[in-house]
Amino acid sequence: EVQLLQSGGGLVQPGGSLRLSCAASGFTFNDYGMTWVRQAPGKGLEWVSGISGSGGNTYYADSVKGRFSISRDNSKNTLYMQMNNLRAEDTAVYYCAKVSRGRDYFFDPWGQGTPVTVSS
Amino acid sequence: ETVMTQSPATLSVSPGERATLSCRASQSVNSYLAWYQQKPGQAPRLLIYGASTRATGVPARFSGSESGTEFTLTISSPQSEDVAVYYCQQYNRWPPITFGQGTRLEIK
Repeated sequence: EVQLLQSGGGLVQPGGSLRLSCAASGFTFNDYGMTWVRQAPGKGLEWVSGISGSGGNTYYADSVKGRFSISRDNSKNTLYMQMNNLRAEDTAVYYCAKVSRGRDYFFDPWGQGTPVTVSS
Repeated sequence: ETVMTQSPATLSVSPGERATLSCRASQSVNSYLAWYQQKPGQAPRLLIYGASTRATGVPARFSGSESGTEFTLTISSPQSEDVAVYYCQQYNRWPPITFGQGTRLEIK
């Protein structure tokens, strides 16, 4: 069974940093791209970032480009999101998800989500 | 960027009444369209990909269809456990990946 277990969220002040983790099991991790999607309180889904299976290709939404950095450690089957210079508008539940293979880029399954609150 | 527009914002149906949720793309997405279900307090779950292919384990009452840039998720006979917010997502031209704003399904 594919499982994604997230950790690392919490409360941080504006301008601060936080690192999210997503530990994967049940599939060959380095064969699949991974992604982060967030959901602000009471709002819809917003794609944040994606990374290829090898880690060689990364993609970002304009809203986080230059502040967030996605990475993966295939030896540990773990995905990361380093978030710097955090803003109030980054407050959200962050989900990691496994990306489909080939030309497709849909997400299945998703992690349980981890809340990030940016506030003074 | 491809903008995805869902309607209605909220859909209220009686038990057994067909539910039809719509999603419109601002440009062609060539069937690269997925639907997700998000129940209260839970992570999203993949329902449909490729506009009309059900994901593993998804009940047959869920179906997807397309007509040009208009996509439809149909729930043939909604059950109480189908109360959720439903999102469409395009993956034709990215980045960025874009989602619709969601349709909330209520059962009367």
